[in-house]
Amino acid sequence: GAVVSQHPSWVICKSGTSVKIECRSLDFQATTMFWYRQFPKQSLMLMATSNEGSKATYEQGVEKDKFLINHASLTLSTLTVTSAHPEDSSFYICSAGTLDRAYEQYFGPGTRLTVT
Amino acid sequence: AQRVTQPEKLLSVFKGAPVELKCNYSYSGSPELFWYVQYSRQRLQLLLRHISRESIKGFTADLNKGETSFHLKKPFAQEEDSAMYYCALRLGAGGTSYGKLTFGQGTILTVHP
Repeated sequence: GAVVSQHPSWVICKSGTSVKIECRSLDFQATTMFWYRQFPKQSLMLMATSNEGSKATYEQGVEKDKFLINHASLTLSTLTVTSAHPEDSSFYICSAGTLDRAYEQYFGPGTRLTVT
Repeated sequence: AQRVTQPEKLLSVFKGAPVELKCNYSYSGSPELFWYVQYSRQRLQLLLRHISRESIKGFTADLNKGETSFHLKKPFAQEEDSAMYYCALRLGAGGTSYGKLTFGQGTILTVHP
């Protein structure tokens, strides 16, 4: 159990447009979801922590108006990259956790975003 | 603020050789330490955690609070161990950011035949 999916797995968009990435916990209810950004062969950088029904907590240096996070249900969180620019091109990974599982994080497969 | 350091970005060994991936952390409290692994084209997955004191796929890691280290070891590396390995720290229960992981920079392990 504890499967997390992301959709889409890859997306190409034009500069200035917005793109939404979905993160779903398929077989458990996730009270907390995390959004990371990963550059090639580099570490995961936590962008924000999202708790169901409340506003996301963003890490220092992450623009909350640019990276909109919504966690409307216990199985779905979305990350919307608004007015995307080429420098937003990256690999975005979500993870989900729940108190029932001692907040162990289960990771999604990631979404490759390319902004042209 | 907490910090995790993996000093080796790349590590190459031959099959059957011992391997040690280093991880040091800085945090004034009592953190939980984890090792995650990411095989090629696969998602990040938990390898082991210090509180379990278990051996997974032949890997072990001991938390050394005196040296603030959590090195990952395997006595005989296999080709299928080739992957990216991340050391991660999570604040202990009671912290305001419980659940949040801080990752090290990662070490790419290559096991040659």
